[in-house]
Amino acid sequence: GAVVSQHPSWVICKSGTSVKIECRSLDFQATTMFWYRQFPKQSLMLMATSNEGSKATYEQGVEKDKFLINHASLTLSTLTVTSAHPEDSSFYICSARVNRATDTQYFGPGTRLTVL
Amino acid sequence: KNQVEQSPQSLIILEGKNCTLQCNYTVSPFSNLRWYKQDTGRGPVSLTIMTFSENTKSNGRYTATLDADTKQSSLHITASQLSDSASYICVVSAVVSDYKLSFGAGTTVTVRA
Repeated sequence: GAVVSQHPSWVICKSGTSVKIECRSLDFQATTMFWYRQFPKQSLMLMATSNEGSKATYEQGVEKDKFLINHASLTLSTLTVTSAHPEDSSFYICSARVNRATDTQYFGPGTRLTVL
Repeated sequence: KNQVEQSPQSLIILEGKNCTLQCNYTVSPFSNLRWYKQDTGRGPVSLTIMTFSENTKSNGRYTATLDADTKQSSLHITASQLSDSASYICVVSAVVSDYKLSFGAGTTVTVRA
């Protein structure tokens, strides 16, 4: 149980285009989903916290207009990287949490984004 | 600022040998500490979780220890296998309103035949 999937697993795009990444909780409902970014040989950096039905809360330094997050249902959150640039190339990982009474997050397998 | 420091940054061991990874944290108030294994290009997978009152927790060949007084934890890998090659991340949770997680930078373990 507690499986989180991401799609796509990897994507290559041209600079200036937008890319959408999906995060799904397959066998549970997640009131909260988190989006992380991980650069090579570095740890996960929290980008934003997304609660179902409300606006995402972004960490300091993360541009909300560039990284659009939608959490329209209890099993799906999407991250759209708008007008992507090479510096946005990274490994994006989502996680899902059942509710605010627990701190257990289940991580997805990640999405490798390469912007040319 | 809550921090999680891991050491060493990386290590190489021969198959069948043991190794120990360290994690020091300053996260407060402490809720729990988790060790994750992250294979290259994959998301983290939980190995162990320990609360304040737990000193040790095992998961197969992985044994984690916790000293909440000194705010130190270790992860011991016994009889390493090639499949143990991965990054091991220490994650500490604080008892705050939204349970923010603090991530260590990870220790990259390479097991060689």
